[in-house]
Amino acid sequence: DIQMTQSPSTLSASLGDRVTITCRASQSISSWLAWYQRKPGKAPNLLIYKSSTLQSGVPSRFSGSGSGTEFTLTISSLQPDDFATYYCQQYKTFFWTFGQGTKVEIK
Amino acid sequence: QVQLQESGPGLVKASGTLSLTCTVSGGSISTSNWWSWVRQSPGKGLEWIGEVYQSGSTYYNPSLESRVSISVDTSDDQFSLKIDSVTAADTAVYYCARATIQRYFDLWGRGTLVTVS
Repeated sequence: DIQMTQSPSTLSASLGDRVTITCRASQSISSWLAWYQRKPGKAPNLLIYKSSTLQSGVPSRFSGSGSGTEFTLTISSLQPDDFATYYCQQYKTFFWTFGQGTKVEIK
Repeated sequence: QVQLQESGPGLVKASGTLSLTCTVSGGSISTSNWWSWVRQSPGKGLEWIGEVYQSGSTYYNPSLESRVSISVDTSDDQFSLKIDSVTAADTAVYYCARATIQRYFDLWGRGTLVTVS
């Protein structure tokens, strides 16, 4: 199976900060990577798929990049609604695997 | 607007069977999507459990395959999860999710906590 490793595990940031989360795959997954946002008690939300394609309705301050084994999720200017946990997921190879998550906290 | 809602017991006895149902509302389960179960155990990341297609075809996480069964009921727009011989390690928040053909998840339920005691 493909292991997905996110860093950092926790990130403390202030409103308006530019935030970057990294996801690394244990082998090449081309661009078959998605990012999700999860808040307690709410349904997880798809942000980005195919590494850099923004899901409909997701604010443009979110962006994704990367291919092969290294990927990043960037929030250009952190907003109050963005404090949450973020997960990456590979869908190149069965079975589908997720990173362990990055929690974005208020600094 | 399509929504997913998990339902089932929040407490299961060890060695018993965990059973959950996901109801698709506002749309049909008979689409070109796969319907999945994902869980998150305390202190751990998300773990994909398995998926079912409208035809009844299934795929499972190899680490759980011997204990897991997922089925679909197209007449009621529901799909269900069963995990046999549960232990404390199966305590988790269980999510149902809709996957595209490519297998990323574009719609999720809110999740339901199942505790194994």
